[in-house]
Amino acid sequence: DAGVIQSPRHEVTEMGQEVTLRCKPISGHDYLFWYRQTMMRGLELLIYFNNNVPIDDSGMPEDRFSAKMPNASFSTLKIQPSEPRDSAVYFCASSWLGLGGETQYFGPGTRLLVL
Amino acid sequence: ILNVEQSPQSLHVQEGDSTNFTCSFPSSNFYALHWYRWETAKSPEALFVMTLNGDEKKKGRISATLNTKEGYSYLYIKGSQPEDSATYLCAFMTSYDKVIFGPGTSLSVIP
Repeated sequence: DAGVIQSPRHEVTEMGQEVTLRCKPISGHDYLFWYRQTMMRGLELLIYFNNNVPIDDSGMPEDRFSAKMPNASFSTLKIQPSEPRDSAVYFCASSWLGLGGETQYFGPGTRLLVL
Repeated sequence: ILNVEQSPQSLHVQEGDSTNFTCSFPSSNFYALHWYRWETAKSPEALFVMTLNGDEKKKGRISATLNTKEGYSYLYIKGSQPEDSATYLCAFMTSYDKVIFGPGTSLSVIP
């Protein structure tokens, strides 16, 4: 398996633009997680899915952020409109079991810069 | 407010030295503790999943212990090597599906 795949790896955009980050989890993993990493706040869980259903989105910072998982092999994290403070590295991770029960495998991350 | 702390923030050791660092977490609502190794410009790599008080896990020269009653976990590295240089993160998972990452301990192993 190729592991968790994220695209793009780098994204530079202007304030106000829509940004879409993509993730393909490891085949067979039932859980998918979106994280954000910043210098100020470290690594934070934004939202996670079980069998394509969002379970907990309490970490999503505000309404500008939305995430979907239309099928077991694809998820998106969208920011609309983007702001400079959204600049961060966004990681996607997947696992067999939910939070705590099993190792999470992280993707390479998407480095987002909003100008 | 749930708080996960790691100490020290950073340390530098000589190759061959053994070292350890600490993750402190709330002692209530514990579900699991994960340790990750995170090299610069890469993604976090899982080391251990720990769920039971008294758990001890080992992977090569790295081992970890867990005390859920007092809310701490130790990570040990025996005979540090330059390739061990990384940031070591712990993540505390609650019984109500929250995960909080610690700030990490940055380890530099000097050849």
